[in-house]
Amino acid sequence: QQPVQSPQAVILREGEDAVINCSSSKALYSVHWYRQKHGEAPVFLMILLKGGEQKGHEKISASFNEKKQQSSLYLTASQLSYSGTYFCGTEYGGQNFVFGPGTRLSVLP
Amino acid sequence: NAGVMQNPRHLVRRRGQEARLRCSPMKGHSHVYWYRQLPEEGLKFMVYLQKENIIDESGMPKERFSAEFPKEGPSILRIQQVVRGDSAAYFCASSRYQETQYFGPGTRLLVL
Repeated sequence: QQPVQSPQAVILREGEDAVINCSSSKALYSVHWYRQKHGEAPVFLMILLKGGEQKGHEKISASFNEKKQQSSLYLTASQLSYSGTYFCGTEYGGQNFVFGPGTRLSVLP
Repeated sequence: NAGVMQNPRHLVRRRGQEARLRCSPMKGHSHVYWYRQLPEEGLKFMVYLQKENIIDESGMPKERFSAEFPKEGPSILRIQQVVRGDSAAYFCASSRYQETQYFGPGTRLLVL
């Protein structure tokens, strides 16, 4: 079952913040976040394994609310290089790995 | 430390021909995943393999598609009798265990 991502697309100006959500109808074992630039391969950002976990990578961080079966990716003070499509990947019981449909982020100067 | 390698990067085939896509995982990685991505769409899981074993092929079409990951050599995704609808980017990813997946650059398949 594919997780749901919201919003589908977002346009920001440099320096603005954004939140991308990923939710599932089933209990999640873990959540992975990836970013893909046009014409390139997805690049791993971070993985969250435990409910309530939060992680950060420069100005990009994420949280994992296990009870709500949801993860959120936070991009603060966005840079032009943040543009791309963000995918969450969800694991159910350790085997079936499913990517969300993606959220397209455009950062404008 | 080389990353995941895929070849060829671009492949053109005529309808009815066979396509063979190769993936060499990162050193030390024994788990390989294949995904298909249509233009402007997300990643669709196809198959998950470990050395000599298919663990999950729930995303593989029932006909014409097959995958293997032999004891020696790269993982191969094989598409027989290709049709125009097979045109897509095919990504391979590898992991050490069932955790972070590192993606290769992809193979862009074009069926004429």
